[in-house]
Amino acid sequence: AQTVTQSQPEMSVQEAETVTLSCTYDTSENNYYLFWYKQPPSRQMILVIRQEAYKQQNATENRFSVNFQKAAKSFSLKISDSQLGDTAMYFCALRRGGAQKLVFGQGTRLTINP
Amino acid sequence: DARVTQTPRHKVTEMGQEVTMRCQPILGHNTVFWYRQTMMQGLELLAYFRNRAPLDDSGMPKDRFSAEMPDATLATLKIQPSEPRDSAVYFCASGLVRVRDEQFFGPGTRLTVL
Repeated sequence: AQTVTQSQPEMSVQEAETVTLSCTYDTSENNYYLFWYKQPPSRQMILVIRQEAYKQQNATENRFSVNFQKAAKSFSLKISDSQLGDTAMYFCALRRGGAQKLVFGQGTRLTINP
Repeated sequence: DARVTQTPRHKVTEMGQEVTMRCQPILGHNTVFWYRQTMMQGLELLAYFRNRAPLDDSGMPKDRFSAEMPDATLATLKIQPSEPRDSAVYFCASGLVRVRDEQFFGPGTRLTVL
């Protein structure tokens, strides 16, 4: 069975600060993918960043980067120079290779304050 | 700008009524997913299709839920009879297997069963 745990239900930072969201997961697979999705108040689920487990290099997308620690089964998301538009629920998700099912964490509600 | 569309966006109904939710996947995508989001359970996969064939519906209550893809441009999720515990946001997502493996989400249908 695969599980994803996000231990921070809520976080709040000031605009322009850097914030890190935590995610741990459990899987017995060696081939899998990890994702961070953003869900703003509009409810739309938007892919922020993805990481292939076989890649050692941490993924980066503009202000968003991850710290992937495979041995520790940890996959944190760092948002640099946070903006008001980053306010949203953030979900960490896991998908094993060869399958399509995404397993989501419970989410972290992030608020960026002006 | 290709996107997944879902109708209706909101639905309020009374217990016992039939509810049908519709999804138009992105043209050319061969995989369609139905997810349910609730405060208590978070995001759960209900069912998914590949090339219109159901691959996994283990997350779906079989006695009252049914999912179909009558053609490549339409996926439906039906609840009959509906119950208050079905109140949730239902998301459809589509993707193209082996092409970045990204799932593109629709805006969701917020269902309230009174």
